[in-house]
Amino acid sequence: EVQLVESGGGLVQPGESLRLSCAASGFSFSSYAMHWVRQAPGKGLEYVSAITNNGGNTYYADSVKGRFTISRDNSKNTLYLHMGSLTTEDMAVYYCARDGDWNYVYFDYWGQGTLVTVSS
Amino acid sequence: QSVLTQPPSVSAAPGQKVTISCSGSSSNIGNNYVSWYQHLPGTAPKLLIYENNKRPSGIPDRFSGSKSGTSATLGITGLQTGDEAVYYCGTWDSSLSVGVFGGGTKLTVL
Repeated sequence: EVQLVESGGGLVQPGESLRLSCAASGFSFSSYAMHWVRQAPGKGLEYVSAITNNGGNTYYADSVKGRFTISRDNSKNTLYLHMGSLTTEDMAVYYCARDGDWNYVYFDYWGQGTLVTVSS
Repeated sequence: QSVLTQPPSVSAAPGQKVTISCSGSSSNIGNNYVSWYQHLPGTAPKLLIYENNKRPSGIPDRFSGSKSGTSATLGITGLQTGDEAVYYCGTWDSSLSVGVFGGGTKLTVL
């Protein structure tokens, strides 16, 4: 059974950093591209970042470019999102999602999400 | 402001059919595949349609997808109260080199 479990969310102050993790199981993690998607309170889904299966290519939404870094450790079956210079605009539930097929880009499995709160 | 445009809400009676539109441009829907997701509060989004019109195993054939040019449509027939949720379209934007979503459509089954 495919499982994605996010962790690392919490309360941080504006300007601080946080690292999210997504532990994957039930599939060959190194064979799949992975994504981060977030949902701010009362808002819709917002795409954040992607990383190819071998980590060779990364992609970022303009809203996080230069502040967030996506990475993965295929030996640990874990996806990461390092978030820096956090603002209140980054407050959201962050989901990791598996890409079903990088040729078509769709998210076939999602984690339950981890909440990031940015407040002074 | 989302890159893809969806109606904020749709509604229909149980047993009826509803369609949800998703409008984009040549850099996203026009040249890439569309997927659709169902999102209930407090849960993970669920994939309903991928590659424009394919259903993952376990998704009933009441759900269908289509694409024409720079627009896509999700259809749901035989509406049930359990279908009440927010529905999102998504695709890749080749110009932005990122995934993009619609703003979401809240379905109410009256």
